[in-house]
Amino acid sequence: KAGVTQTPRYLIKTRGQQVTLSCSPISGHRSVSWYQQTPGQGLQFLFEYFSETQRNKGNFPGRFSGRQFSNSRSEMNVSTLELGDSALYLCASSFRTGGREQFFGPGTRLTVL
Amino acid sequence: GQQLNQSPQSMFIQEGEDVSMNCTSSSIFNTWLWYKQDPGEGPVLLIALYKAGELTSNGRLTAQFGITRKDSFLNISASIPSDVGIYFCAGRGETSGSRLTFGEGTQLTVNP
Repeated sequence: KAGVTQTPRYLIKTRGQQVTLSCSPISGHRSVSWYQQTPGQGLQFLFEYFSETQRNKGNFPGRFSGRQFSNSRSEMNVSTLELGDSALYLCASSFRTGGREQFFGPGTRLTVL
Repeated sequence: GQQLNQSPQSMFIQEGEDVSMNCTSSSIFNTWLWYKQDPGEGPVLLIALYKAGELTSNGRLTAQFGITRKDSFLNISASIPSDVGIYFCAGRGETSGSRLTFGEGTQLTVNP
């Protein structure tokens, strides 16, 4: 069974631009969560989607948004990029919301210049 | 909000030694997960714990869910060089959905 896939793996953007990251969960998994990882703040929860609905949201500004499609694939979007948005963005999939195990993808490394 | 304190922050050990790390929470969790992350990669799930007092092993790894539901520890026995990496604990509360709260990580270095 294929694992969680994320595209692209690396991105370089400049301040003010916007970016869209994609995540495909493990086949059969319907919950996708997004996390931001930085050296200073560690792993921080962004939001969770299940059955195309946002179920949980972390403490991030409205510039961070997401959506989930009927095939459970998810995208997250960051608008008006700031230097501080440079981070590793990770998605995790589980069978359902609150599912026992969560499996992470390799992440997308975003650098904002 | 929920906070997780993970210790130690780093460990330098010799190959063959045993390792222990732990996490404590300000809130009760109903799930504890332990992950290992290599540079440039996503965290890999090592052990999952769902019940207070539960002790679970995965090869040389053993983890326990504290009976107060506010702590967990991970032991690695007979460490080998490929154990090098950052180990994270993560907890989930009963009403958190899939939201995980992560510890700060323990950086493990194993000298051959």
